[in-house]
Amino acid sequence: LAKTTQPISMDSYEGQEVNITCSHNNIATNDYITWYQQFPSQGPRFIIQGYKTKVTNEVASLFIPADRKSSTLSLPRVSLSDTAVYYCLVGELLYSSASKIIFGSGTRLSIRP
Amino acid sequence: AAGVIQSPRHLIKEKRETATLKCYPIPRHDTVYWYQQGPGQDPQFLISFYEKMQSDKGSIPDRFSAQQFSDYHSELNMSSLELGDSALYFCASRRRETGNTIYFGEGSWLTVV
Repeated sequence: LAKTTQPISMDSYEGQEVNITCSHNNIATNDYITWYQQFPSQGPRFIIQGYKTKVTNEVASLFIPADRKSSTLSLPRVSLSDTAVYYCLVGELLYSSASKIIFGSGTRLSIRP
Repeated sequence: AAGVIQSPRHLIKEKRETATLKCYPIPRHDTVYWYQQGPGQDPQFLISFYEKMQSDKGSIPDRFSAQQFSDYHSELNMSSLELGDSALYFCASRRRETGNTIYFGEGSWLTVV
């Protein structure tokens, strides 16, 4: 999988929009970008996945520029319950034998009242 | 929808004892991954299986072994436990032909005393 770089930590306040950017300069043509959320003592939870442009679901949006060398997870109107670690994973999985999924250092997001 | 099931959720063992963790992937998922996550650390890849065969190995100690059975569930066996083995162990699964997303279980907490 492509190596990823994210900010180590971010702070924000309830009701704000939070954007977390992930750099993946060596992303390959067939790679997808997937974001996970992890609360303490729990397994990572799938948030959103995309290949290019913009993807939106009920909890987040994912913005991917044309060169795909970075991506931005956008969380609208965050609440205290969004305090968690967020991981960006980049790689080709569909039909592939990708058998070693490596986590980089995630972003520890802290939301304050 | 069915999720990845792990058991036990919590386990306390003494040094030099043996522990076995079990993972039941989502139905029809053929690939299983095991991870170890120490307190405050990012998940570390241990080992993966596809169609009951080992696919890849990460930083798994020689004291650990794992296998995937005919019903696709997997077991992680840990022997000669050390204090440093205390961690959250979680597994993840996907279906290779259709699954571009990896789903994680809630993890098994191992405490070695």
